[in-house]
Amino acid sequence: GAVVSQHPSRVICKSGTSVKIECRSLDFQATTMFWYRQFPKQSLMLMATSNEGSKATYEQGVEKDKFLINHASLTLSTLTVTSAHPEDSSFYICSARSRTGDTQYFGPGTRLTVL
Amino acid sequence: GESVGLHLPTLSVQEGDNSIINCAYSNSASDYFIWYKQESGKGPQFIIDIRSNMDKRQGQRVTVLLNKTVKHLSLQIAATQPGDSAVYFCAELKSRGYQKVTFGTGTKLQVIP
Repeated sequence: GAVVSQHPSRVICKSGTSVKIECRSLDFQATTMFWYRQFPKQSLMLMATSNEGSKATYEQGVEKDKFLINHASLTLSTLTVTSAHPEDSSFYICSARSRTGDTQYFGPGTRLTVL
Repeated sequence: GESVGLHLPTLSVQEGDNSIINCAYSNSASDYFIWYKQESGKGPQFIIDIRSNMDKRQGQRVTVLLNKTVKHLSLQIAATQPGDSAVYFCAELKSRGYQKVTFGTGTKLQVIP
């Protein structure tokens, strides 16, 4: 199946700093990428949808100024958590979908811990 | 809307037995359904999908059944193995238009050796 990578896999940062997470589709062109957040023992919560070359569409309740998403190429999307706080600590997962398919392929996730 | 659970229901199955994981989906307009497996600390892994014009689809050791009348989806795993232990999510989407995937709350499968 299609491969999606995320970097870093784990990050620990201090409160007030910003953290950037990268999501790459390795063997296909991802016209659409999705960012999810998952708290322990819960389902995935969609944060935003990004299409290559256009602004991301954020879900209700997700602050676009806090969670900056850039999808500058067909193989890379980034999520930047700005001014991170301990409540932002979570498992962030991206997924990618090609132009021709319906299936989303997920990255391995990034564990963010804000101290 | 999106599903959020405070805790995951757990299904315990003896190794070698068949497992059946159920899911109720919410949107009658959804026409594409996917089962994902998520191991601890990892991203969801695609298992099998089914479109609304089918009611059954088989893969290797897995079968997905779709009942559109009652908006119910199930995943059957034959001869369950310890490596099947994970959280299983069903997901639904409408394949035309804005393709937002809605995840179910998830079921934790525990395989007893």
